[in-house]
Amino acid sequence: DSGVTQTPKHLITATGQRVTLRCSPRSGDLSVYWYQQSLDQGLQFLIQYYNGEERAKGNILERFSAQQFPDLHSELNLSSLELGDSALYFCASSREGGDNQPQHFGDGTRLSIL
Amino acid sequence: QKEVEQDPGPLSVPEGAIVSLNCTYSNSAFQYFMWYRQYSRKGPELLMYTYSSGNKEDGRFTAQVDKSSKYISLFIRDSQPSDSATYLCAMGNSGGYQKVTFGTGTKLQVIP
Repeated sequence: DSGVTQTPKHLITATGQRVTLRCSPRSGDLSVYWYQQSLDQGLQFLIQYYNGEERAKGNILERFSAQQFPDLHSELNLSSLELGDSALYFCASSREGGDNQPQHFGDGTRLSIL
Repeated sequence: QKEVEQDPGPLSVPEGAIVSLNCTYSNSAFQYFMWYRQYSRKGPELLMYTYSSGNKEDGRFTAQVDKSSKYISLFIRDSQPSDSATYLCAMGNSGGYQKVTFGTGTKLQVIP
């Protein structure tokens, strides 16, 4: 158990809808990362937060947004969903936010768009 | 050219074999190297974390970094069917707020 909790585990919805994915980092970790992993694709970095502030942005679509709250949990919001958004979405956390920090991953939310 | 290259496999080996998993990279600034194991439908699990060149051993796992060749390896001794998973390498360079770069993963199957 990595200590990173993601909910829900599975999400099935339709095109055009909006969903929110939630992540609770490991106790004591200040930084949260979001990744997308499609079938047979590597981990695509979306966005990073550190202690409530956005720190780095990857290939995140404008339809997607995220935030980190004062209690350090984070939410990833996906809107105007398209079939191509079907993927595993992982959250990871690290103690600080540097790229020398090992990241610890949750078990992901599997998003299926019908 | 991708910053990190990793053979996707699949790599099939008999139980008990020594497995060698590799990544090459192009960014000479990378200093921090990690290996993750990912079982199907689970999140990546950190296996090894190394800094700079050299070897690091943890049980049946050995991570090796050759910065001169821009090449890292993960060796698994006495491989077990439970080692069947996808293995991802990951690298960072500065300690600053830059993204860690992941390889696409090598799928390993250990045959009983």
